[in-house]
Amino acid sequence: DIQMTQSPSSLSASVGDRVTITCRASQSTSSFLNWYQQKPGKAPKLLIYAAFSLQSGVPSRFSGSGSGTDFTLTISSLQPEDFATYYCQQSYSTPPTFGQGTKVEIK
Amino acid sequence: QVQLQESGPGLVKPSETLSLTCTVSGGSISSYYWSWIRQPAGKGLEWIGRIYSSGSTNYNPSLKSRVSMSLDTSKNQFSLKLSSVTAADTAVYYCARDRGSGWTGDYWGQGTLVTVSS
Repeated sequence: DIQMTQSPSSLSASVGDRVTITCRASQSTSSFLNWYQQKPGKAPKLLIYAAFSLQSGVPSRFSGSGSGTDFTLTISSLQPEDFATYYCQQSYSTPPTFGQGTKVEIK
Repeated sequence: QVQLQESGPGLVKPSETLSLTCTVSGGSISSYYWSWIRQPAGKGLEWIGRIYSSGSTNYNPSLKSRVSMSLDTSKNQFSLKLSSVTAADTAVYYCARDRGSGWTGDYWGQGTLVTVSS
């Protein structure tokens, strides 16, 4: 299985801050990398697919980049509704695997 | 708007079989992969497997010996069975649609908590 490692595991930020979350794969996943947002008690929500494609309805302050083994999710200006846990997930090989999550908290 | 809803027992005894059903509304179950994912309390996400509208399946090798999935196109439903459960199988179970291109969950159910306990 491909192991996905996110950093940091948690971060504190203020409304309006630029936030960057990193995901590293144990082997190349090309551009087969997705990002999800999960709020407490809710299902994950797809934000970014194929490394940089924005899912329909997702605000443009979210963006993704990277390829191979290193990927980044950026929130350009953090909003109150963005405080949540974020997961990366590789869709290159079966089984698809997720990172351990990055919790974004209010500073 | 596609919607998914999980249903099934919230409590299962050790060594028994966990059975869940996902009902899809707002769209046909045909021509997509349909998946199950689980999340133990306070932990990360684990992909269990998926079934295509043709009935073909892919399972996580770590669970393959205990998992089976099926679908009922007439009811727009698909199902999960996980046998010989232990406390380690206690989790929130989600069903989701795979939009394709590897596995990408674009629509998810709200999740259902299944506890394994005697």
